[in-house]
Amino acid sequence: KAGVTQTPRYLIKTRGQQVTLSCSPISGHRSVSWYQQTPGQGLQFLFEYFSETQRNKGNFPGRFSGRQFSNSRSEMNVSTLELGDSALYLCASSLTGYHEQYFGPGTRLTVT
Amino acid sequence: AQTVTQSQPEMSVQEAETVTLSCTYDTSENNYYLFWYKQPPSRQMILVIRQEAYKQQNATENRFSVNFQKAAKSFSLKISDSQLGDTAMYFCAYAGNNRKLIWGLGTSLAVNP
Repeated sequence: KAGVTQTPRYLIKTRGQQVTLSCSPISGHRSVSWYQQTPGQGLQFLFEYFSETQRNKGNFPGRFSGRQFSNSRSEMNVSTLELGDSALYLCASSLTGYHEQYFGPGTRLTVT
Repeated sequence: AQTVTQSQPEMSVQEAETVTLSCTYDTSENNYYLFWYKQPPSRQMILVIRQEAYKQQNATENRFSVNFQKAAKSFSLKISDSQLGDTAMYFCAYAGNNRKLIWGLGTSLAVNP
């Protein structure tokens, strides 16, 4: 089976812009979770989607949003980018969310 | 709220030796999962081992094993016969009823030749 894929792998944006990141889960996995990884804060949970519904949400501002499509692919969007949004964004898929999660390679976002 | 603490920011070990990484957590839940993930430099996060809290037997995966002490809320990872490819950041993570993964800050492990 193909692993979790994320596109793009690298992204440079300017403050105030918005960005959309994409994640394709492992075939058959219905749960997709997103995490932000920074040197200072470590890994922080953003949100989880299951069957096109947001099932869980972390403590991030409303500028961070996501969605999931019927084929389980997920996108996350960050609007009005801030310098502090620079991070590695990781996507993980799981069969149901109650199992171990498998991670993609991440999208490295740099906000200038 | 649940928390995960990894008290060793950095560790090093000689090739072929054994090393133990520490992790403690805090929770009021009775049923949960614990994981160790590995993130090699510039590479993606890989699941190393998982432990269900209701299982008393410690999980093992080849050279990797855990010491799960539920009462003490401790979940350490032992790597036997360390290899150069084990050099990575190791993260301890907790998943409870809400399925959110709560992460420790990681331990950077260097395996020296």
